[in-house]
Amino acid sequence: GAVVSQHPSWVICKSGTSVKIECRSLDFQATTMFWYRQFPKQSLMLMATSNEGSKATYEQGVEKDKFLINHASLTLSTLTVTSAHPEDSSFYICSARAQGQGETQYFGPGTRLLVL
Amino acid sequence: AQTVTQSQPEMSVQEAETVTLSCTYDTSESNYYLFWYKQPPSRQMILVIRQEAYKQQNATENRFSVNFQKAAKSFSLKISDSQLGDTAMYFCAFVGLRNAGKSTFGDGTTLTVKP
Repeated sequence: GAVVSQHPSWVICKSGTSVKIECRSLDFQATTMFWYRQFPKQSLMLMATSNEGSKATYEQGVEKDKFLINHASLTLSTLTVTSAHPEDSSFYICSARAQGQGETQYFGPGTRLLVL
Repeated sequence: AQTVTQSQPEMSVQEAETVTLSCTYDTSESNYYLFWYKQPPSRQMILVIRQEAYKQQNATENRFSVNFQKAAKSFSLKISDSQLGDTAMYFCAFVGLRNAGKSTFGDGTTLTVKP
């Protein structure tokens, strides 16, 4: 149980285009999902907290107009990187918090984004 | 604000031996959760073990166990009978109940298990 999927796993796009990444909790409902960014051999950097039915809460320094988050249902959150630029190239990971499991987060497999 | 410190950027261990990864944290909260996550080369984050701060008993999961010292704010991970598949980056994480479930991660320890 407690499986989280992400789609796509790999995406290459041209500078200036927008990319949408989906995060789904497959076998549980997640009122809260988190979006992270990770650079090679570094720790996870929290970008935003996504709450079902409400606006996302962004961490300091994260541009909300650039990284649009939508949490439309209890099993789906999306991150859209708008007008992507090469510096947005990174590994993006989502996680979902399972209710009743003591704040445990279950992570998706991540999405590698390369902006040319 | 909470901080999590992993003081060992890299460690190695021989297959079948035991290794301990250290983690210390700083918080003013009394109720919280601590986690160890493993990130192998695939980069999939995998939950290794979880500890509730109000439980005095150290958590164990098969070959993985923790030494939780609440007063010292220490949360080390012991891996027994190390296997090649344990090679990964290990992250210690703190979740306080006052912080909307957000995790604070340490910088990670890269563990290499040698045959």
